[in-house]
Amino acid sequence: DGGITQSPKYLFRKEGQNVTLSCEQNLNHDAMYWYRQDPGQGLRLIYYSQIVNDFQKGDIAEGYSVSREKKESFPLTVTSAQKNPTAFYLCASSIQAGVYEQYFGPGTRLTVT
Amino acid sequence: DQQVKQNSPSLSVQEGRISILNCDYTNSMFDYFLWYKKYPAEGPTFLISISSIKDKNEDGRFTVFLNKSAKHLSLHIVPSQPGDSAVYFCAASAKGSARQLTFGSGTQLTVLP
Repeated sequence: DGGITQSPKYLFRKEGQNVTLSCEQNLNHDAMYWYRQDPGQGLRLIYYSQIVNDFQKGDIAEGYSVSREKKESFPLTVTSAQKNPTAFYLCASSIQAGVYEQYFGPGTRLTVT
Repeated sequence: DQQVKQNSPSLSVQEGRISILNCDYTNSMFDYFLWYKKYPAEGPTFLISISSIKDKNEDGRFTVFLNKSAKHLSLHIVPSQPGDSAVYFCAASAKGSARQLTFGSGTQLTVLP
């Protein structure tokens, strides 16, 4: 069955280390998105990709990087430059950019100490 | 500068009664609005949406109302059930910018048995 997979569900890292969060979808969706959720706040857009080999910065891209080498994969790297990396990270996809509904993965809780 | 606001962080309702969740927006370019439901440690799931050309959209127990002049939308759940207990996010989308979603901060709904 189709869906979005994010792994791992919980991730722990030491401060100063880069870490890559995985996002895979088998929905054949063109567009993919990365959001961050902090307690008491809504989802904030980090990066999005409308098509393979293309991506744009969202509202809070500083300290993050992405790649989109395959349609089904959109990994997010949280670099040591990200000042407050501890958060719940959500990946989403939509059939194509310009389509309203986005479908979300289960999320990864990243804790940096 | 929050463009989408959910001013009530929490709401408690008795089972069987109506739940009304509210959302305000400031950006007049928003023309499509969505509600998502989120359980703890899971990704949001799409619930219902409405285009700015309508003022009401209904789907089973869920109805969304849009008041464009007041830049206000609301989600009505009738009758409320304990399984509806979750965080509800409203989101808005504007033409262009790949239809990015701007999320509110969420309202925790608790339906009491």
